[in-house]
Amino acid sequence: AQRVTQPEKLLSVFKGAPVELKCNYSYSGSPELFWYVQYSRQRLQLLLRHISRESIKGFTADLNKGETSFHLKKPFAQEEDSAMYYCALSNYVGGGFKTIFGAGTRLFVKA
Amino acid sequence: DAMVIQNPRYQVTQFGKPVTLSCSQTLNHNVMYWYQQKSSQAPKLLFHYYDKDFNNEADTPDNFQSRRPNTSFCFLDIRSPGLGDAAMYLCATRDRLSSYEQYFGPGTRLTVT
Repeated sequence: AQRVTQPEKLLSVFKGAPVELKCNYSYSGSPELFWYVQYSRQRLQLLLRHISRESIKGFTADLNKGETSFHLKKPFAQEEDSAMYYCALSNYVGGGFKTIFGAGTRLFVKA
Repeated sequence: DAMVIQNPRYQVTQFGKPVTLSCSQTLNHNVMYWYQQKSSQAPKLLFHYYDKDFNNEADTPDNFQSRRPNTSFCFLDIRSPGLGDAAMYLCATRDRLSSYEQYFGPGTRLTVT
């Protein structure tokens, strides 16, 4: 079964500290993996996707197929990074493109 | 700005009283999704439309129906809401051909009394 697991519901770090939000997935094929973010009172929006191999707002995420992980990292957290982060897996199933979300990790960056 | 709009943002309905949530988009995307998100849980896909083709998730209760009269609009109908249907309902769109990214609306928070 396809599944996305985010083991931490809440992650609290100090400003300037490194941050890593963990994500593990189970999927038998080659998934498309994403991180979505939801800032306070804003809508859910795409942060980055693994296929792009890009850094957005200082965040990067590397797909590790051996460990089936897609952890989100940032070397120096900022207060404006405080938000809810969702790891997501997308694939084509039965002719449709579907996304499975993890339960999310709330990141709180303290001054 | 092109966007995904959901109305209303907050909806209160009574137990068993039908309710309709609406979603509109100015992105001209051909795929539209409805998700249910309960507190501290992952958004859960209810169904999606590929143009006019309706795709229901196997575990979506029959109590939930959807309509898409045109590209811009999509509706979620809950025929007989129960207390367990109280949740945030998210609408999202995607351009089938050009992007994997989903564009989300702000959500409608449904309360069942």
